[in-house]
Amino acid sequence: EVQLVESGGGLVQPGGSLRLSCAASGFTFSSYDMNWVRQAPGKGLEWVSYISRSGGSLYYADSVKGRFTITRDNAKNSLYLQMNSLRDEDTAVYYCARDPGAVLGGDHWGQGTLVTVSS
Amino acid sequence: EIVMTQSPATLSMSPGERATLSCRASQSVSSNLAWYQQKPGQAPRLLIYGASTRATGIPARFSGSGSGTEFTLTISSLQSEDFAVYYCQQYNNWSGTFGPGTKVHIK
Repeated sequence: EVQLVESGGGLVQPGGSLRLSCAASGFTFSSYDMNWVRQAPGKGLEWVSYISRSGGSLYYADSVKGRFTITRDNAKNSLYLQMNSLRDEDTAVYYCARDPGAVLGGDHWGQGTLVTVSS
Repeated sequence: EIVMTQSPATLSMSPGERATLSCRASQSVSSNLAWYQQKPGQAPRLLIYGASTRATGIPARFSGSGSGTEFTLTISSLQSEDFAVYYCQQYNNWSGTFGPGTKVHIK
């Protein structure tokens, strides 16, 4: 069974940093591209970032470019999102998602981890 | 930046009825369009990608059509479990913009 489990969310002050992790199991992690997608409370979905299976191709939404960094460790079956210079508008549930083929979304999603940026 | 719009914002339907949801892109995205279903408190579920290809395990009552800037998701006969919010997403040129969603609720 495919499982994606996010962790690392929490309360952080504006300007602070946070690192999210996503632990993958039940499939060959190194064979799949991955994405982060977020959802502000009561709002719609926003694609955040994409990483190819090798980690060689990275893409970001304009809203996070230069502040967020996506990485992966295929040996540890893990995906990461380093978030710096956090803003109030970054408050959201962050989902990791397995990309079935460069669709910048996912055929399997985690349960999400809540990031709250507030002073 | 490609802007996605969806109509209607809400759809009031009865079980067994046919639902037609629309999605429009501000510029052509070819067939790089996906549809997701999301229920309260749950992660999204991929329904359709490539504008018309059903994802694994998705019932045949869900179908997608369109290309370029105009897309449609059709649910041929609404079941109780289909009442949810539906999002379209374009993934052209390595950006992944979602539409604002259409909420399908029980009349």
